[in-house]
Amino acid sequence: AQSVAQPEDQVNVAEGNPLTVKCTYSVSGNPYLFWYVQYPNRGLQFLLKYITGDNLVKGSYGFEAEFNKSQTSFHLKKPSALVSDSALYFCAVRTRNRDDKIIFGKGTRLHILP
Amino acid sequence: EAGVTQFPSHSVIEKGQTVTLRCDPISGHDNLYWYRRVMGKEIKFLLHFVKESKQDESGMPNNRFLAERTGGTYSTLKVQPAELEDSGVYFCASSQASGSRYNEQFFGPGTRLTVL
Repeated sequence: AQSVAQPEDQVNVAEGNPLTVKCTYSVSGNPYLFWYVQYPNRGLQFLLKYITGDNLVKGSYGFEAEFNKSQTSFHLKKPSALVSDSALYFCAVRTRNRDDKIIFGKGTRLHILP
Repeated sequence: EAGVTQFPSHSVIEKGQTVTLRCDPISGHDNLYWYRRVMGKEIKFLLHFVKESKQDESGMPNNRFLAERTGGTYSTLKVQPAELEDSGVYFCASSQASGSRYNEQFFGPGTRLTVL
């Protein structure tokens, strides 16, 4: 079965420190990989995606993610966290079959401490 | 260009009542998806429309849920009768027609459903 694992329910990071939110996946083939963010009382916002090419993907708000095929991971990173980064982050995958559904992880709540 | 819109943003109903959620996709998008996140769990796929046809409804939890997309434009998701475990956030997404190498799915803001 296809699945996405986010092993941490919550991650606490001091403002200014680097942050990492972990994600591993189990999907056949070479999937598309995504990160989405949900701020309090807001909808789901696209952050970044990996389609092909360079394993390091840069996205919105200074976030980046590294695709590691051998470890089937797609960890989200940011060099210096901001309090405003506090939100719920979802890792997601999609097969390369046309228009296929997105499979999400359960989410990781990120708390940036001032 | 307007994004995906959903109505209402929040609905509070009692167990046993009926609720209808609406999604308006981006104009011209043939693909429309419904997803749901129950509190503390992952966002799960419910179903996928291509125009007015149901392409994949494997994620629909039971027959209390009915989705329609008459005319291939907006879609409705009706829950009848609603149960406590139906509480959650319902997201809609849309994407362009097949044929493109990669079709981005654009998400709406979600409808938060609370069943008391």
